[in-house]
Amino acid sequence: EDQVTQSPEALRLQEGESSSLNCSYTVSGLRGLFWYRQDPGKGPEFLFTLYSAGEEKEKERLKATLTKKESFLHITAPKPEDSATYLCAVQAVTSGTYKYIFGTGTRLKVLA
Amino acid sequence: GAGVSQSPSNKVTEKGKDVELRCDPISGHTALYWYRQSLGQGLEFLIYFQGNSAPDKSGLPSDRFSAERTGGSVSTLTIQRTQQEDSAVYLCASSSRTGRTGELFFGEGSRLTVL
Repeated sequence: EDQVTQSPEALRLQEGESSSLNCSYTVSGLRGLFWYRQDPGKGPEFLFTLYSAGEEKEKERLKATLTKKESFLHITAPKPEDSATYLCAVQAVTSGTYKYIFGTGTRLKVLA
Repeated sequence: GAGVSQSPSNKVTEKGKDVELRCDPISGHTALYWYRQSLGQGLEFLIYFQGNSAPDKSGLPSDRFSAERTGGSVSTLTIQRTQQEDSAVYLCASSSRTGRTGELFFGEGSRLTVL
């Protein structure tokens, strides 16, 4: 069964304290892995797409990496405005249908 | 419009009433998805439209849920005889599915509360 698991469920960091969020997955026919940011009361906002093991993407204080079984979202020197829920999703193709399977997210709180 | 638009943003209804939720995707996007997000839960897939193909309804939780997409653009999700367990945020997303990109662009969601 296709599955995405994110850890930890919640994370509290002091401003400037770097850390990593984990997304492990089991899926057949992986087409891509996506990271989204979701603020309270808003829809998820796209951050990164990763397609193959070894690939890395960066945006400001965020860096996403991918292996054959998991992805990490590294947050370097976070600021309070980085507080949000971070969602991971995998895209798989089944019988010609493009499906996206989401994890339950990591709630990040960065304290000033 | 510039992004995915959903309406209403909030809907409070009584148990047993029908509700309609609307999604206006990004112009030119051929793929449209509906998801449900309950408190503390991940995004639950409901239904997927791709161009003129038959929709993938495999995620609809019961026959009280239905959706249509008119003219390959606007979509309406209908929930009949609402139950309290239907309370959630209903998110719509669209995708161009051109090239390899495939990322979903989400609306702000419709928060449904069933009393």
